[in-house]
Amino acid sequence: NAGVMQNPRHLVRRRGQEARLRCSPMKGHSHVYWYRQLPEEGLKFMVYLQKENIIDESGMPKERFSAEFPKEGPSILRIQQVVRGDSAAYFCASSPRIAGAREQYFGPGTRLTVT
Amino acid sequence: DQQVKQNSPSLSVQEGRISILNCDYTNSMFDYFLWYKKYPAEGPTFLISISSIKDKNEDGRFTVFLNKSAKHLSLHIVPSQPGDSAVYFCAASAGETSGSRLTFGEGTQLTVNP
Repeated sequence: NAGVMQNPRHLVRRRGQEARLRCSPMKGHSHVYWYRQLPEEGLKFMVYLQKENIIDESGMPKERFSAEFPKEGPSILRIQQVVRGDSAAYFCASSPRIAGAREQYFGPGTRLTVT
Repeated sequence: DQQVKQNSPSLSVQEGRISILNCDYTNSMFDYFLWYKKYPAEGPTFLISISSIKDKNEDGRFTVFLNKSAKHLSLHIVPSQPGDSAVYFCAASAGETSGSRLTFGEGTQLTVNP
């Protein structure tokens, strides 16, 4: 019974490169969320997706960041032209599509380092 | 605008004693609250939650109390164990349906000394 899976666990990119972070939700979960944790801070919501739909992207930076959750395959968080300030831990969470199910279950995170 | 606040960055307790972690919120729309535990280099692990229609929820050694009028919740761990040493995050969500974003506090580092 695999939990939320994220890869890669660690990613190093030079300034200006692209970063792609992948997330596979728990089996049976159809809701995916992305959060970012900057050093010494709490987790900040970025985006909430269901299959083929972005439901809430109010936490996403306006430029360079995008997310998708295709019909087949994992959810992808894409950061174009990375800058040093993008260095952070990026966590994916999932939840089931059950009325009243409010808990979200997190993956181990991807630690992005921009050099 | 920090809508969920954990004012104590750290807490140290002796093994076997009670640990009390506190959390305050400002958004009256929050109606569901959760506590997560996080070890270094791992993702947050769900511990316990409470709906705003309740004032207490208990699960083994963990109890969460909610005071809606004060917009305050607390997590009690008793007895505390060294393995409980971790960062604890309080989180809140608004909305009656599944699929609501979580707003997190900044975390409290709990250290349980043997």
